[in-house]
Amino acid sequence: AQKVTQAQTEISVVEKEDVTLDCVYETRDTTYYLFWYKQPPSGELVFLIRRNSFDEQNEISGRYSWNFQKSTSSFNFTITASQVVDSAVYFCALSNYNTDKLIFGTGTRLQVFP
Amino acid sequence: DAMVIQNPRYQVTQFGKPVTLSCSQTLNHNVMYWYQQKSSQAPKLLFHYYDKDFNNEADTPDNFQSRRPNTSFCFLDIRSPGLGDAAMYLCATSRALGNNEQFFGPGTRLTVL
Repeated sequence: AQKVTQAQTEISVVEKEDVTLDCVYETRDTTYYLFWYKQPPSGELVFLIRRNSFDEQNEISGRYSWNFQKSTSSFNFTITASQVVDSAVYFCALSNYNTDKLIFGTGTRLQVFP
Repeated sequence: DAMVIQNPRYQVTQFGKPVTLSCSQTLNHNVMYWYQQKSSQAPKLLFHYYDKDFNNEADTPDNFQSRRPNTSFCFLDIRSPGLGDAAMYLCATSRALGNNEQFFGPGTRLTVL
């Protein structure tokens, strides 16, 4: 069975704090893809990153960074020096190699206060 | 800008009255998806089209149908909406099958009275 767990339902931080959003996944496949999407109040899901199961290198993009660890089946997302505009719901998702179906976690609502 | 457009953004319908939601894309992508997202829940895939090939998820109710008359447009038809169908409906596109990035539209929020 495939499953994505985002245990943090809601996180509140003050601007400029660093924050890490956790994502744990389950799959029996050896080839799979992991994604992070941002859903601001406007509603559309905004793609942030895709990582395949063979690439465990961590990635940094501006204030965003991702830590992929196959040993713990985790794909955590860190925002450094958070800003009010980062307030949104963040979804982690899993897709296996032979399907385009995204299995989403339940999302983490991040609120960044000024 | 190339994008995924959904109309209307808000739709109100009556219990049992058929409703159609619209999605169009200027990305010229081959794959179009429809997701249902209920309040405070994750999006759930209903079906997708790869070009003209329709792929229904096993647990998508028969009440939900879809049409794709051309590459740019895809419609979601709800034949007899129930109160439980109230949700945000998200359309997405991807260039091809194979775990490509999916581009999402802003969604249509459906209210059923």
